[in-house]
Amino acid sequence: ELKVEQNPLFLSMQEGKNYTIYCNYSTTSDRLYWYRQDPGKSLESLFVLLSNGAVKQEGRLMASLDTKARLSTLHITAAVHDLSATYFCAVGRSGGGADGLTFGKGTHLIIQP
Amino acid sequence: GAVVSQHPSWVICKSGTSVKIECRSLDFQATTMFWYRQFPKQSLMLMATSNEGSKATYEQGVEKDKFLINHASLTLSTLTVTSAHPEDSSFYICSARVGGVEQFFGPGTRLTVL
Repeated sequence: ELKVEQNPLFLSMQEGKNYTIYCNYSTTSDRLYWYRQDPGKSLESLFVLLSNGAVKQEGRLMASLDTKARLSTLHITAAVHDLSATYFCAVGRSGGGADGLTFGKGTHLIIQP
Repeated sequence: GAVVSQHPSWVICKSGTSVKIECRSLDFQATTMFWYRQFPKQSLMLMATSNEGSKATYEQGVEKDKFLINHASLTLSTLTVTSAHPEDSSFYICSARVGGVEQFFGPGTRLTVL
């Protein structure tokens, strides 16, 4: 059974600081996703990582994937208040994208001025 | 592109009634759609995989007779919660697979059963 663990589950940080969210998963997968969710809203796709060593960046967010360690990270650089949200990582369960996703519990991020 | 819509966005119903939720892919055809459920302050849990023209595949622990899924066309999947009870109150979110791996999520439907 695929398990996805995120940490931390809750993070309060100040604007301008850097931090990293970690996502570990238990079995081999070829797809790792990062999503953002604002309160009462659905999911916004941030990154899809498909290969070992993949690194993607968008603005102040950067995601990486180490398939050997079964670890992905979401790094936040010089955080701003607008990045406050809940961030989920999710893993595909089999090859080809045919299966649904298994989600981590989410990281509730609060960025204070 | 890759827009997924859901209807209704929220619904309140009495215990024992059935509720239908629609998930549509607006600008693409989706042979596979997925239904997730999210309880307050929790993560998303996959309920079932909806395949156009065939029976849905349900996750372990999800009652297929209670959560009826129909994927009648390449742009529409429906989830019917039959004989809803307060414990079925949740945020139901569908997603559609685009191309090889990308999944886009609908805006969600908040169900409250009184």
